Amino acid sequence: AQSVTQPDIHITVSEGASLELRCNYSYGATPYLFWYVQSPGQGLQLLLKYFSGDTLVQGIKGFEAEFKRSQSSFNLRKPSVHWSDAAEYFCAVGAKEYGNKLVFGAGTILRVKS
Amino acid sequence: EPEVTQTPSHQVTQMGQEVILRCVPISNHLYFYWYRQILGQKVEFLVSFYNNEISEKSEIFDDQFSVERPDGSNFTLKIRSTKLEDSAMYFCASSVYPSYEQYFGPGTRLTVT
Repeated sequence: AQSVTQPDIHITVSEGASLELRCNYSYGATPYLFWYVQSPGQGLQLLLKYFSGDTLVQGIKGFEAEFKRSQSSFNLRKPSVHWSDAAEYFCAVGAKEYGNKLVFGAGTILRVKS
Repeated sequence: EPEVTQTPSHQVTQMGQEVILRCVPISNHLYFYWYRQILGQKVEFLVSFYNNEISEKSEIFDDQFSVERPDGSNFTLKIRSTKLEDSAMYFCASSVYPSYEQYFGPGTRLTVT
């Protein structure tokens, strides 16, 4: 079955420090991958996406992610975190072979300390 | 920027009552979805809808659930007889094509008492 793992439930970083949120997936097909962000009481905002091509993708708010097929990973990075980045981050995976649905990871809550 | 909207933002209902959650997808999108997130759990797929019919549904989406596109803009999720375990945040999403990114609405928090 398809699955997405975000191994870190909580991460705390200092403002201005770099960030990496991990995402691993298990899929029997060529996946397309997304990162979404959810602020408290808000919906899911798309940060970035990977379908094919360049494995390093740029998103909004200064985020980037790198697809590594050999490691089945799609880690999210940001070189310098801002206090406003505090939120919950979800990795999601889909594939044509499995219909239109997205399978989500459990999420990583990011706390930013000043 | 176009966005998916959902109403109401919060719905409280008693067990056994019917509820209808409403969504207005992005206007040029053709594929529509419902997901739910029980508090503290993962976002789970419920159903996808295209060309006025369900294209895929999960095992969660049993006979108590139904979806409809009653007009050219709205997309609704109906729960016929709510249970306590239906309490969750329900997200509507839409996409241009099935393999493209899905844009999510702000969600409706459903509380069943």
